[in-house]
Amino acid sequence: NAGVMQNPRHLVRRRGQEARLRCSPMKGHSHVYWYRQLPEEGLKFMVYLQKENIIDESGMPKERFSAEFPKEGPSILRIQQVVRGDSAAYFCASSPFPETQYFGPGTRLLVL
Amino acid sequence: GESVGLHLPTLSVQEGDNSIINCAYSNSASDYFIWYKQESGKGPQFIIDIRSNMDKRQGQRVTVLLNKTVKHLSLQIAATQPGDSAVYFCAERSLAGGTSYGKLTFGQGTILTVHP
Repeated sequence: NAGVMQNPRHLVRRRGQEARLRCSPMKGHSHVYWYRQLPEEGLKFMVYLQKENIIDESGMPKERFSAEFPKEGPSILRIQQVVRGDSAAYFCASSPFPETQYFGPGTRLLVL
Repeated sequence: GESVGLHLPTLSVQEGDNSIINCAYSNSASDYFIWYKQESGKGPQFIIDIRSNMDKRQGQRVTVLLNKTVKHLSLQIAATQPGDSAVYFCAERSLAGGTSYGKLTFGQGTILTVHP
């Protein structure tokens, strides 16, 4: 059973461009969580999704950020018009029920 | 606001020693706690978890202790090995607003360095 997969692992964008981060949960997991981690800090919750539904987006900035988890395909975290402050590691986690979360390897976003 | 914090940001031990990593939490509504290990350039790796109706849980070489009275959580690693060197995070789950899930709140992390 493959673990949580994220791609790309590294992403470089210039200010104003769009960033799309993908997360494929573990097989059988229908709960997906996105977190952001700044250097030498803990992970900060952004959004929690179940298939086709956003359950909690309280940690996600209201502007420029959006997330989806379609019926088919991976979950997508989308950042429009990126700014330097968006540079961080973005982690996705999945679980079969809302409890223990298993994390992917992360996407390191660098905004130039 | 509610937070999860760690007493010691860094911990250095000799190979073979036992390690204890501490964590304080402030949300008395938290009902579930997890310890994660994160190696450089990787995602957090689940180590062990414990529910609030327990005060101790053991895994392979690891033990988690929960003291709800003082809102304190610890991770004990027996016979620490160089491969245990990593950042360790505690995370708590609080059931918020009657929802049946809980988002995780992470502490800042403790850097464990194991010297051969």
